Amino acid sequence: EAGVAQSPRYKIIEKRQSVAFWCNPISGHATLYWYQQILGQGPKLLIQFQNNGVVDDSQLPKDRFSAERLKGVDSTLKIQPAKLEDSAVYLCASSRDRGFYEQYFGPGTRLTVT
Amino acid sequence: AQKITQTQPGMFVQEKEAVTLDCTYDTSDQSYGLFWYKQPSSGEMIFLIYQGSYDEQNATEGRYSLNFQKARKSANLVISASQLGDSAMYFCAMRPNQGGKLIFGQGTELSVKP
Repeated sequence: EAGVAQSPRYKIIEKRQSVAFWCNPISGHATLYWYQQILGQGPKLLIQFQNNGVVDDSQLPKDRFSAERLKGVDSTLKIQPAKLEDSAVYLCASSRDRGFYEQYFGPGTRLTVT
Repeated sequence: AQKITQTQPGMFVQEKEAVTLDCTYDTSDQSYGLFWYKQPSSGEMIFLIYQGSYDEQNATEGRYSLNFQKARKSANLVISASQLGDSAMYFCAMRPNQGGKLIFGQGTELSVKP
């Protein structure tokens, strides 16, 4: 079974530019998560999708971050405009469904904002 | 407030010895899940072990075991017979009853010495 795929793996941009990350979850997984992991910290949830609907986006900075999962499969996370404090690893995870199921993580996208 | 606390920023252990990584949690939910993940320098989060709040026995997965003390709200990870490949960051996480997101601690960096 293929794991969670993410691209790009690395991205360097200047502040005020925009950037987009892509995630393809494990086939058949209904729930998709985007986490932000700042250096030296644990991951923090940005947004959670159940199929193509948003379940939790309470910690998503909506003035600059947006995410979509249009067909309930792959997802895109966008930042526009980027700030220096957005430098982090962006992890995508998926699970079979909501509840106490294991979450499988992708390799992450390391974003550096200069 | 729901919170995970890992008080050991870094730990050293001799190869082939056992090591315990501490984790305490705070939640008012009766039903919740506790997880441990390993994050090597490559960045991917690797699931290690899961403990449900109603599980009466401590979870075990190969060399990993979870010492679950519900009254003390602790969920320590025990790694037996440490190997050099165990050197990594280790994160304790909790999934509250309402929803699928994981709440992570700050992590513990484990270094295994030959």
